[in-house]
Amino acid sequence: EVQLVQSGAEVKKPGESLKISCQGSGYGFYGYWIAWVRQMPGKGLEWMGIIYPDDSNTRYSPSFQGQVTISADKSINTAYLQWSSLKASDTAIYYCARFCGRTFGELCFDFWGQGTLVTVSS
Amino acid sequence: QSVLTQPPSASGTPGQRVTISCSGTSSNIGSNPVNWYQQLPGTAPKLLIYNNNQRPSGVPDRFSGSKSGTSASLAISGLQSEDEADYYCAAWDDSLSGPVFGGGTKLTVL
Repeated sequence: EVQLVQSGAEVKKPGESLKISCQGSGYGFYGYWIAWVRQMPGKGLEWMGIIYPDDSNTRYSPSFQGQVTISADKSINTAYLQWSSLKASDTAIYYCARFCGRTFGELCFDFWGQGTLVTVSS
Repeated sequence: QSVLTQPPSASGTPGQRVTISCSGTSSNIGSNPVNWYQQLPGTAPKLLIYNNNQRPSGVPDRFSGSKSGTSASLAISGLQSEDEADYYCAAWDDSLSGPVFGGGTKLTVL
């Protein structure tokens, strides 16, 4: 069974750093792109970036370039999303999702993590 | 402001057929296939439709998708109370070199 299991909820203060994780199981993790998607409170879905765990090839949405870092460790089937200095506006649920398309144009996220709630408040 | 445009809300009574629209441009829907995702309250999104009109295994055939030009639609027939959720369309955008989502449509089953 394909599963993406994310790390637990976090409460941080502005300016703190954070790294959340997404561990895949039940499939060849290294062979599928993994995306990160933000959902701010009461709002819609926003693509942040995507990584190919086998070679860590990474692409970022222009809106998130320079704001976050996406990485992966294929030896433990895990992708990461990290911030060096959190802001209150980073408060959101963050989802990882497996990209199932054969090409980028054939967009398809077939399995999603359960989401990680990040709360940034002083 | 989302790149793809959806109505913020839709509603129907049990058994009815409802449709949700999604409007884009030539750089996204006009040139790439459309996905639809269902997000039940408090849960992660779930892939409902991919490649404009394909259903993953396990998705009831009450859900169907279509695309014409730069617009797409999701139709739900035989509406059930458990269909009450937020629905999002998505497509790859060639100009942005990344996925774009609609703002979501909240479906209420009356």
